[in-house]
Amino acid sequence: DTGVSQNPRHKITKRGQNVTFRCDPISEHNRLYWYRQTLGQGPEFLTYFQNEAQLEKSRLLSDRFSAERPKGSFSTLEIQRTEQGDSAMYLCASSLAAEQYFGPGTRLTVT
Amino acid sequence: GQQLNQSPQSMFIQEGEDVSMNCTSSSIFNTWLWYKQDPGEGPVLLIALYKAGELTSNGRLTAQFGITRKDSFLNISASIPSDVGIYFCAGQLLANFGNEKLTFGTGTRLTIIP
Repeated sequence: DTGVSQNPRHKITKRGQNVTFRCDPISEHNRLYWYRQTLGQGPEFLTYFQNEAQLEKSRLLSDRFSAERPKGSFSTLEIQRTEQGDSAMYLCASSLAAEQYFGPGTRLTVT
Repeated sequence: GQQLNQSPQSMFIQEGEDVSMNCTSSSIFNTWLWYKQDPGEGPVLLIALYKAGELTSNGRLTAQFGITRKDSFLNISASIPSDVGIYFCAGQLLANFGNEKLTFGTGTRLTIIP
């Protein structure tokens, strides 16, 4: 399977803990995006990489959030000191141009 | 964050019926994309539109890029049970370096009544 993969698929954590998610894009795609989706809403943009450079960050990405793409391949999204409001589906997408292809997402539940 | 307006919010139809939904924005986009999402999964790309007025088909799906560049439409003909899910429109502005994020609509939930 050469699609976008995300790990883990589900994460339950206690408030205040740190969590890290991983995204492996389609291999030839140089662009990688993170989105967040809450129940009943469409995905909302968080941040975007072209190769290893982080080119845009949303205001939704508070200082507790950090994303990296160290070698221009896989990416990680870390949330520090999680809050209950961080509970959501975190989606990763990759592209070569306009068409973005999404992974299955990581469902985060903060208790 | 900004979300585009999609209508209807939900649809209850019988198998075999045709479906129409639309998406409107207060700002223009250069690209419109339509996705389908099943519960617990990521969105799956259905159709991409790149030019105002463009009409594009993918099997039983037909989508149009509005001439004002502020709206888009999706039609599904002869619906089948696997069409059930949530349909999202997404607009993209590729005018400047770095402006490649997608702005999504609020979604249309399609249910097929047995």
